[in-house]
Amino acid sequence: TQLLEQSPQFLSIQEGENLTVYCNSSSVFSSLQWYRQEPGEGPVLLVTVVTGGEVKKLKRLTFQFGDARKDSSLHITAAQPGDTGLYLCAGASGTYKYIFGTGTRLKVLA
Amino acid sequence: NAGVTQTPKFRILKIGQSMTLQCTQDMNHNYMYWYRQDPGMGLKLIYYSVGAGITDKGEVPNGYNVSRSTTEDFPLRLELAAPSQTSVYFCASKEGKLFFGSGTQLSVL
Repeated sequence: TQLLEQSPQFLSIQEGENLTVYCNSSSVFSSLQWYRQEPGEGPVLLVTVVTGGEVKKLKRLTFQFGDARKDSSLHITAAQPGDTGLYLCAGASGTYKYIFGTGTRLKVLA
Repeated sequence: NAGVTQTPKFRILKIGQSMTLQCTQDMNHNYMYWYRQDPGMGLKLIYYSVGAGITDKGEVPNGYNVSRSTTEDFPLRLELAAPSQTSVYFCASKEGKLFFGSGTQLSVL
C-alpha cells in the first residue's frame, strides 16, 4: 500500500512568515503534484514535478522533488492570507493512478 | 465549458439505503476517478477507469461499485449505505492533470 504522509497537519502563521510543508513516502512515484483546495471546492493543481531533484517556482511558492522521487516539499515565502487553504500532494503510481497525501491545513493571519 | 459535473451536491441517506452519485465530463478524457474526502483530510481513491468498459479498484473500494459505459459518464453506486460512508465525494478526470468536480456531500444517518 502506497502512503503519502504530509507534515505538519495544521499550520497557523502570521502574514509575512515563511513556511515549509513536507510530503513523504517509502514508495517511488513517477511524478508528484501539489494541489490547493478551498472549502466547498475540489482541489486545484499548483504544480507537477517529474524529475528527481527538480525545483519549480510559482511566484512565492517553491516546490522540490526529492532525488529518489519519494518525497517533496512546498516552501512559501512571505505568506499572505490568500494562501490559506488545504494543501495536498499527490503521487502518480504509473501513468494514471494518483494517491493523495494526508493534507496540510494552512491558515495565514492578517 | 462545463468540465466535470457531479450531482447531487448534497444528500442524506438512511442506513441501508442505496444511491448513485452521478459524474459526467465533457472534455473527452479517458481517465476518470472517484475519491472520498473525510473532514480535514486528504483524498482516498475509491475506483478509477482508464476508458469506457474498463474500471479498477483503488485504495478503499469496499461498499462501492462503478460502471463506465461511455467516455463521458462514471457513476458511483452505494448499495447498502453505512455511517462510515459519510464523506465528501469527488469525481475527477485526467488529461495531464486532474480536473475535479465540485463534490457531493453525503451523510448516512
